[in-house]
Amino acid sequence: KAGVTQTPRYLIKTRGQQVTLSCSPISGHRSVSWYQQTPGQGLQFLFEYFSETQRNKGNFPGRFSGRQFSNSRSEMNVSTLELGDSALYLCASSLQTGSNYGYTFGSGTRLTVV
Amino acid sequence: DQQVKQNSPSLSVQEGRISILNCDYTNSMFDYFLWYKKYPAEGPTFLISISSIKDKNEDGRFTVFLNKSAKHLSLHIVPSQPGDSAVYFCAASEAGANNLFFGTGTRLTVIP
Repeated sequence: KAGVTQTPRYLIKTRGQQVTLSCSPISGHRSVSWYQQTPGQGLQFLFEYFSETQRNKGNFPGRFSGRQFSNSRSEMNVSTLELGDSALYLCASSLQTGSNYGYTFGSGTRLTVV
Repeated sequence: DQQVKQNSPSLSVQEGRISILNCDYTNSMFDYFLWYKKYPAEGPTFLISISSIKDKNEDGRFTVFLNKSAKHLSLHIVPSQPGDSAVYFCAASEAGANNLFFGTGTRLTVIP
């Protein structure tokens, strides 16, 4: 079966711009989570969506937002980009909400802010 | 504040020997622990997990040990193979939580 698909794979944006990243979960998976990976920080939780509802949010500023559609696809938006937002953004899906159900990660979107 | 810590950024091991990757945590509410492996340009792949009610879980060449009193877990890979060369992340979650706390990763290199 198809895995978690993230688009685009690479993105270069300018400071102050906004960006939208997309994630298509594994078919049948209803939970989608987003993580930011930066060198020296590991993966940090951004938010999780389940049945189109945000279930939990990490410690990130309001410039980071997301949503989930009825087909479970999710988008993440970052407004007013800063240099420090340069990172690998990973999406993960699971059957149900709750980390014990096991995430499957996508390959990520590498965002570079210049 | 990093609640999950992997203090060794890198580890090199000869093929056929044992690889031991370590992870410490500070949050006593964590009750589920996982290890992920990550190759370049790919997302992390789930490797093995352990619940806080156990102290050991084994899956083929991979064994995870949990020492709750020391708030420490380790991943043992025996025997190590060149294909095991990757970055390994330790992760933890609280009961019923829907997010994981990750360590910063350990880059394992298995030398043929």
